[in-house]
Amino acid sequence: DAGVTQSPTHLIKTRGQHVTLRCSPISGHKSVSWYQQVLGQGPQFIFQYYEKEERGRGNFPDRFSARQFPNYSSELNVNALLLGDSALYLCASSSWPGRATVSNQPQHFGDGTRLSIL
Amino acid sequence: AQSVAQPEDQVNVAEGNPLTVKCTYSVSGNPYLFWYVQYPNRGLQFLLKYITGDNLVKGSYGFEAEFNKSQTSFHLKKPSALVSDSALYFCAVRDANRDDKIIFGKGTRLHILP
Repeated sequence: DAGVTQSPTHLIKTRGQHVTLRCSPISGHKSVSWYQQVLGQGPQFIFQYYEKEERGRGNFPDRFSARQFPNYSSELNVNALLLGDSALYLCASSSWPGRATVSNQPQHFGDGTRLSIL
Repeated sequence: AQSVAQPEDQVNVAEGNPLTVKCTYSVSGNPYLFWYVQYPNRGLQFLLKYITGDNLVKGSYGFEAEFNKSQTSFHLKKPSALVSDSALYFCAVRDANRDDKIIFGKGTRLHILP
């Protein structure tokens, strides 16, 4: 079975530009989360989506947005890029026991998109 | 607020010796606890989790972790280290009573010396 796939693997942008990162979850997983991992740090939570609805948002500015599609794939968009946005962006999918419960399922991560801002 | 602390930036262990990677956490409710491993230029791989029940949890690649509620710790252990265990290890926590984010520690780099 295919794992979580992310595209592109690497991306170079300049300040002020916009970027869209894509993620396809493991088949059957309805929950997708996005993380930012700066070099030397642990992943920082950005968003979580379940069945196309936002279920959680981390402490990131409004320049960051995301959406989930009917096939459960997801996009992360970042506007007005800053040098500090340079990082590895990770997507993770998980199964979810139900809308009203907190998930105790592990996250399954893709290999990330390495974003460099010049 | 939720938090995770991994007090050691790096741990060095000789091959064949037991290893421990430390993690302490803070949540207001009951914790869901996870360990992940990251190899260079890769995403994180799930190793094991604690949800409820037995305090000793066994996971992938011979790793195990012990949940200690009184010390709010969830240390990762392995009886006999392999060189291939060298990687970056992350502890993570989610509050079981809140529909909220999962928090990761800053990571511990494990070096297994041949």
